[in-house]
Amino acid sequence: EAGVVQSPRYKIIEKKQPVAFWCNPISGHNTLYWYLQNLGQGPELLIRYENEEAVDDSQLPKDRFSAERLKGVDSTLKIQPAELGDSAVYLCASSSGDNSYNEQFFGPGTRLTVL
Amino acid sequence: DQQVKQNSPSLSVQEGRISILNCDYTNSMFDYFLWYKKYPAEGPTFLISISSIKDKNEDGRFTVFLNKSAKHLSLHIVPSQPGDSAVYFCAASVVAGNMLTFGGGTRLMVKP
Repeated sequence: EAGVVQSPRYKIIEKKQPVAFWCNPISGHNTLYWYLQNLGQGPELLIRYENEEAVDDSQLPKDRFSAERLKGVDSTLKIQPAELGDSAVYLCASSSGDNSYNEQFFGPGTRLTVL
Repeated sequence: DQQVKQNSPSLSVQEGRISILNCDYTNSMFDYFLWYKKYPAEGPTFLISISSIKDKNEDGRFTVFLNKSAKHLSLHIVPSQPGDSAVYFCAASVVAGNMLTFGGGTRLMVKP
């Protein structure tokens, strides 16, 4: 079974440029998460989707960040414009929601460097 | 305010010995706890979890202990192996499958 797929793996851009990250969750997983991980810290949730609905986006900086999951499968996270402080690893995770523990499976992440 | 804390940024252990990684939390509403393991350039991988109705869960060499009164959990790895060298994150949620709150991680180094 294929895991969570993310692309690109690495991205270097100049500040004020736009950038987009793509995530394809594990097949059949209805719940999709985007996390931000700064260097030396644990991941922090940005947004959670149940199918195509964003059910928790309270931590998403909506002035510059946006996300979509139009068909309830793959998802895109966008930053426009990027700032120096956005340099981090962006992780996507998915879960099936069919057991009491709802383990989240993570992709490899996209490492963003803003110059 | 960090709701989940891992106070030891790093831990070094000899191969074959026990590794004990600790985690403290402040939110008494947390009812589900997990440990994730992360290798460089990879995403976190689920290791083991425990519900608040239990105080211990074991899976092979890995055991997680939960002390609700102290708001403390620990991960024991016995015996430790060099392949266990990674960053370990503890995480907690109020409802299983909901938002996970992660600690800052502990880097474990197992020396041959």
